[in-house]
Amino acid sequence: GAVVSQHPSRVICKSGTSVKIECRSLDFQATTMFWYRQFPKQSLMLMATSNEGSKATYEQGVEKDKFLINHASLTLSTLTVTSAHPEDSSFYICSAMSEKLFFGSGTQLSVL
Amino acid sequence: GENVEQHPSTLSVQEGDSAVIKCTYSDSASNYFPWYKQELGKRPQLIIDIRSNVGEKKDQRIAVTLNKTAKHFSLHITETQPEDSAVYFCAARPRGGSYIPTFGRGTSLIVHP
Repeated sequence: GAVVSQHPSRVICKSGTSVKIECRSLDFQATTMFWYRQFPKQSLMLMATSNEGSKATYEQGVEKDKFLINHASLTLSTLTVTSAHPEDSSFYICSAMSEKLFFGSGTQLSVL
Repeated sequence: GENVEQHPSTLSVQEGDSAVIKCTYSDSASNYFPWYKQELGKRPQLIIDIRSNVGEKKDQRIAVTLNKTAKHFSLHITETQPEDSAVYFCAARPRGGSYIPTFGRGTSLIVHP
């Protein structure tokens, strides 16, 4: 299947700092990528849809100023968690559509 | 929008037994139904999928059935092995619009050796 790369896999940061997560489609072009958040033992919660060359579409309840999404090319989308707080600690996963939906390896964010 | 219900939330079986996970969906416009397996701390992996023009699909020990009239689909795993232990997610994706799939809440499958 198609390959989606996500970095970093794990990040620990201090409260108030910003963290950038990268999602790349390695062997296909993705005009649309998705960002999910997953709490332990829970399902995938869609945060936003990232559209190449245009603004991201955020799900209800997700703060767009808090979670900045940039999709500058057909193979790269980034999620920046701004001014991170402990409640932002979670597993963040990106995905991209290449006929089927493929997921990145996820980023475990821990905010101290 | 689409609503996907998944049952059971936890399923415990003995090695060699069969496991069945069921999902229902609400939007009759959905036409694509993938299943994902997620091991702890890892990415969800697509294991099988089915489109609405097919009633059943099989891949070795895994099969998926779809009943469009009743709007439900199921994952069947035969001859379960300990390495099948994981969380399984079903999803339904609409034919039009943004093609964003809606996921079920997941089933934690535990296969005891």
